[in-house]
Amino acid sequence: EPEVTQTPSHQVTQMGQEVILRCVPISNHLYFYWYRQILGQKVEFLVSFYNNEISEKSEIFDDQFSVERPDGSNFTLKIRSTKLEDSAMYFCASSAITGSNEKLFFGSGTQLSVL
Amino acid sequence: TQLLEQSPQFLSIQEGENLTVYCNSSSVFSSLQWYRQEPGEGPVLLVTVVTGGEVKKLKRLTFQFGDARKDSSLHITAAQPGDTGLYLCAGVVKAAGNKLTFGGGTRVLVKP
Repeated sequence: EPEVTQTPSHQVTQMGQEVILRCVPISNHLYFYWYRQILGQKVEFLVSFYNNEISEKSEIFDDQFSVERPDGSNFTLKIRSTKLEDSAMYFCASSAITGSNEKLFFGSGTQLSVL
Repeated sequence: TQLLEQSPQFLSIQEGENLTVYCNSSSVFSSLQWYRQEPGEGPVLLVTVVTGGEVKKLKRLTFQFGDARKDSSLHITAAQPGDTGLYLCAGVVKAAGNKLTFGGGTRVLVKP
């Protein structure tokens, strides 16, 4: 069964450093998402991406964050200058359609630890 | 902000017992989804409900969407240890875009 792949599974970084989290969505999907889950808290929406541009973003997704689909297969989330509070599990998701019958497929996540 | 409240937060039962998990909101959802999340994994979609009053069954799991499309429940019949996991509801409010808003989850433990 096709799946969303995320790398790395764990990333440890120093505060202030830049990190890039990588995702390979399912190949025929058109809609891409990043969510995050801080330990013990809810899964939170960060950003959605369609047709090479951001469709929606949450207030969490400030100027420190950016997304890119550099080569038609990868979908990346960059955090420019990490803060301690960016420590979380980051999930990439993709879907073929959007709307009420949308089915999101999530990757296994990247656990980001900012020290 | 549409807030999805799940209850209970934690449920521990014996194998063979039934359980119900609730998801409530003051917002009306165009659709509501239930996910299951294992430790160290991403959420996996179980079901999507769209129509008020809709009931969907997935083997021993029964999902119901409230008539007003503000609440939902997940009922598991004759729970098995393999049902252990974190159950998440997530909804889409059309007026607020297409993003999914997740509830806090219900952690279910089924003891053999």
